Parts: sequence; structure tokens; C-alpha cells
Amino acid sequence: DAKTTQPNSMESNEEEPVHLPCNHSTISGTDYIHWYRQLPSQGPEYVIHGLTSNVNNRMASLAIAEDRKSSTLILHRATLRDAAVYYCILRNPRQGAQKLVFGQGTRLTINP
Amino acid sequence: DVKVTQSSRYLVKRTGEKVFLECVQDMDHENMFWYRQDPGLGLRLIYFSYDVKMKEKGDIPEGYSVSREKKERFSLILESASTNQTSMYLCASNSGGPSNQPQHFGDGTRLSIL
Repeated sequence: DAKTTQPNSMESNEEEPVHLPCNHSTISGTDYIHWYRQLPSQGPEYVIHGLTSNVNNRMASLAIAEDRKSSTLILHRATLRDAAVYYCILRNPRQGAQKLVFGQGTRLTINP
Repeated sequence: DVKVTQSSRYLVKRTGEKVFLECVQDMDHENMFWYRQDPGLGLRLIYFSYDVKMKEKGDIPEGYSVSREKKERFSLILESASTNQTSMYLCASNSGGPSNQPQHFGDGTRLSIL
């Protein structure tokens, strides 16, 4: 899988929007951008994924740059429960490997 | 919502014991996975299965085996537990087809081998 780069940590306040950036300058045309998060003492949780267009679901929004070299996960109104490590990874459906490989991710702290 | 259930959140066993970790998913997913997660080493794939009775080795299969007799259940077996198998074990599942389908995880089993 191609590499992604994320800040080690970010901090935000409860009920404010949070924008988590991810750089993936070597992304290929068939790579999907996936986001997972892992709350303390829990398994990873799928958040959202997209290819080119911006995506929304009940958890978050994913904004993808026009050149696809970067993306941003948007939590519209953070709660304390959103404190977690967020992982941005690239997945290519044409490649057979199924395993997930997470980088360091971004540790998000939410202040009350 | 997809539900992946692991049989135990915490487990303590002794070296040399045979240990069984069970995982059940309720979404009729074809693929199931076993990972372990260790500080500084991230997520590592032990085994995965793409169908009943089918299995493939991941990156670190040594010391482990798996069983998939029914579609919804995937078991991880530590044949003779050792202290270096103390870890967080995570089960995941996803549907078949393109390999970028999201994986859905259980809450994990924190296993300690004494």
C-alpha cells in the first residue's frame, strides 16, 4: 500500500468541528482513501472511504483534494467519544492483499 | 450495523496451554481475519479465511492455527502458548469481492500468558 502521512496528534474542543489531514502524494489512480479510528481499549472502527468525490456518512465527512494527493476527515461536531487514534490508509481493490496496515495515525484529544 | 463478537475481552493463561480465541460475525461475510496488535509494531495479520474451511497464512502464522467450520465463526488457536504471545488479538470480517471492502473489527481480546 502507498504511504500516508498524518500529524502525530491534534487537540480540539467538544462541540467544535475537527479537520484531520492526511497526505498521500504517491497515491495511484485506483487507490481508495480509507479512514479508521481506534478508541482506547477497543478494536479499530471503520469510519469512511472514498475515491475522488467527497463523501458523507453518519459519522464523518471525507474531503478529497482535486489532485487526490491529500484528504481531510471532518468531524462536524466533536464529542468526548471521538477521542481516538485516527488512521488514514490507501486501499487498492485490484491488489489481492486484504490485510490492513496502519501507520502511526493521529491521536485526537477532545477537551470538555 | 455489523457485529463482530469476540468471546473474551480479557484472558490469562499459562505457558504451554492450548488457547482458543473465538470470533463470530453476524453479517454473512465471506472473509474473516485474525490480527494481533502490539505497541510499536502496529497491526499484524496472523491468518485470514475467505470461505468455510479455507485459510491463508498472514505475516506471522508461527505458533498459531485457525479453524473455520461455519461461515460466521473463525477460531484462533495457540497450540502451546508462550509469553511472547501476550498481546491484543483482534478479529475482523468483510464481504468478498474487491479487496478494499471495509473491515469490521471486534473489541479485541487482551491475552496474557504467564
